[in-house]
Amino acid sequence: GESVGLHLPTLSVQEGDNSIINCAYSNSASDYFIWYKQESGKGPQFIIDIRSNMDKRQGQRVTVLLNKTVKHLSLQIAATQPGDSAVYFCAEIFSGGYQKVTFGTGTKLQVIP
Amino acid sequence: GAVVSQHPSWVICKSGTSVKIECRSLDFQATTMFWYRQFPKQSLMLMATSNEGSKATYEQGVEKDKFLINHASLTLSTLTVTSAHPEDSSFYICSALGLGDQPQHFGDGTRLSIL
Repeated sequence: GESVGLHLPTLSVQEGDNSIINCAYSNSASDYFIWYKQESGKGPQFIIDIRSNMDKRQGQRVTVLLNKTVKHLSLQIAATQPGDSAVYFCAEIFSGGYQKVTFGTGTKLQVIP
Repeated sequence: GAVVSQHPSWVICKSGTSVKIECRSLDFQATTMFWYRQFPKQSLMLMATSNEGSKATYEQGVEKDKFLINHASLTLSTLTVTSAHPEDSSFYICSALGLGDQPQHFGDGTRLSIL
């Protein structure tokens, strides 16, 4: 299940199940969105991106959905694996702002073997 | 793929010391580099944006005299934390942006611990 504590919200899923991580963004003028994966002690790693003129984009085992009406972004991971355990951040970019990336609060994904 | 290298990856030093962190783009020229700070279990917060050959643009609340940024070449930006104190202890991450329509590439961060 999903829980929100004092720090990062955590999502726990069984290995093999699908994961859905949600994010609310703030700037309605943002035109580019990215999901990043951050493992402990490392920098963010690009997973998938989507432009504001799209509402869905699929990659390998991952799908990003964008709902501009409610400023909501989600990342779906199919057949979650232990290696997917990490913190996931959504990020929004406003191209008029020199590619400045604004990160969301992050969600910790724990995969239970 | 594009690689960004940060050095050092971990540094421990005494209060009052100045610490320099390097960020290098290894296989591409970075027109713009960004410096972020991340506290435990929190998100990345942008500190400043640096463009090669010009002064860095600092985010609100970030002291430019405390966090000196130098982007002297298209492959190197440095962040110097001057007269560091325990409250400066954090995870500092850089990213680099090349030409074209590519997302930022992140380094693996530098963990700074001030005693």
